[in-house]
Amino acid sequence: EVQLLESGGGLVQPGGSLRLSCAASGFTFSNYAMTWVRQAPGKGLEWVSGVSGSGSSSYHADSVKGRFTISRDNSKSTLYLQMNSLRAEDTAVYYCGTSKSVLVPVVFAWGQGTMVTVSS
Amino acid sequence: QSVLTQPPSVSAAPGQKVTISCSGSTSNIGNNYVSWHQQLPGTAPKLLIYEHNKRPTGIPDRFSGSKSGTSATLGITGLQTGDEADYYCETWDSSLSAGVFGGGTKLTVL
Repeated sequence: EVQLLESGGGLVQPGGSLRLSCAASGFTFSNYAMTWVRQAPGKGLEWVSGVSGSGSSSYHADSVKGRFTISRDNSKSTLYLQMNSLRAEDTAVYYCGTSKSVLVPVVFAWGQGTMVTVSS
Repeated sequence: QSVLTQPPSVSAAPGQKVTISCSGSTSNIGNNYVSWHQQLPGTAPKLLIYEHNKRPTGIPDRFSGSKSGTSATLGITGLQTGDEADYYCETWDSSLSAGVFGGGTKLTVL
């Protein structure tokens, strides 16, 4: 059974940094692209970042480009999202997702999410 | 606004059928697989349909998906009160090199 467990969320001041982690189990991690998706309070889903199975290709939404970096450690079956220069509008639940494809990072299975609050 | 366009809300009576549309362009729906996700109140999203019309294990055949040109449709038959949720379409956009979601559709079972 696919399991994705996010961690690292919390309260951070505007301009600060945070690193999210997603521990994966139940599948061969390196065979699948991975994704971060967020949902601001009361809003819809927003695709944030994706990375290929090998980690050689990564993609980011324009709203986070230059501030967020997605990465993965296949030896630890763990996905990361480094978030810098955080803004109030980054406040959201952040979900980790695994793809069905090694290359295209769209969501096939979801984690439970971790809350990030950016506020002074 | 979202790259993919969905109606904000739909409603129907228990036992009836409803469809939810998702409109895009050649750079996304026109040339990439579409997925549909269900989000029940207060919970994480769950995959309902992938690769336009395939159902993951455990998803009942009351849920179906289709695609035509640059639009996709989610169909739900035999509506139940437990189907009340937000539904999102998702695909890859080759021009943006990013994933994209529709704005979401709130289903009310009257």
